[in-house]
Amino acid sequence: AQTVTQSQPEMSVQEAETVTLSCTYDTSESDYYLFWYKQPPSRQMILVIRQEAYKQQNATENRFSVNFQKAAKSFSLKISDSQLGDAAMYFCAYRITSRPHFGNEKLTFGTGTRLTIIP
Amino acid sequence: NAGVTQTPKFRVLKTGQSMTLLCAQDMNHEYMYWYRQDPGMGLRLIHYSVGEGTTAKGEVPDGYNVSRLKKQNFLLGLESAAPSQTSVYFCASSSALGETQYFGPGTRLLVL
Repeated sequence: AQTVTQSQPEMSVQEAETVTLSCTYDTSESDYYLFWYKQPPSRQMILVIRQEAYKQQNATENRFSVNFQKAAKSFSLKISDSQLGDAAMYFCAYRITSRPHFGNEKLTFGTGTRLTIIP
Repeated sequence: NAGVTQTPKFRVLKTGQSMTLLCAQDMNHEYMYWYRQDPGMGLRLIHYSVGEGTTAKGEVPDGYNVSRLKKQNFLLGLESAAPSQTSVYFCASSSALGETQYFGPGTRLLVL
């Protein structure tokens, strides 16, 4: 079974500084997607960034980037120039992309990291 | 374009009561999902649908039923609510297998 582990329940960073959130996962699959979702106090789940496992290049979205290490099954999120609006719970998630039959559609989530931004 | 919407936003039930949560999406997505989020845990899949008229069980389906009579709507039903079903419920949709899931704002349910 696939599992996603976020070992940092809470993190804090000074405004304008850089912070890295860690995520590891366990799978026997070779083809999959990895995601980082942000959940602010409004509870809305917002996609931050997505990485396809077959791509060697790390995904980047403005101030957000990932360090994807497939062999180590590691998928960390780096937030540069942290802003107050980045304060939220961050969830790492995994899903299989192949074999379109029942059971492969779900996202498997980690338990989340609560990020606090210090003004 | 509203994306994914959920009704209601918050509800209080007594044990044994029934209710239906409505999810609607206007992105013409084939796949729709219901998750629950409990404190200290990530989201867990309850049921999902890969198209109009289809439904399937996820990780934690017991005590819930679903229906997908129209492509844009996905209903989650609780026939006899229990305190263990106190949670925040999220609906999501995606265009295809493997594609990004887009989430609704959540429904907070309290069962007394």
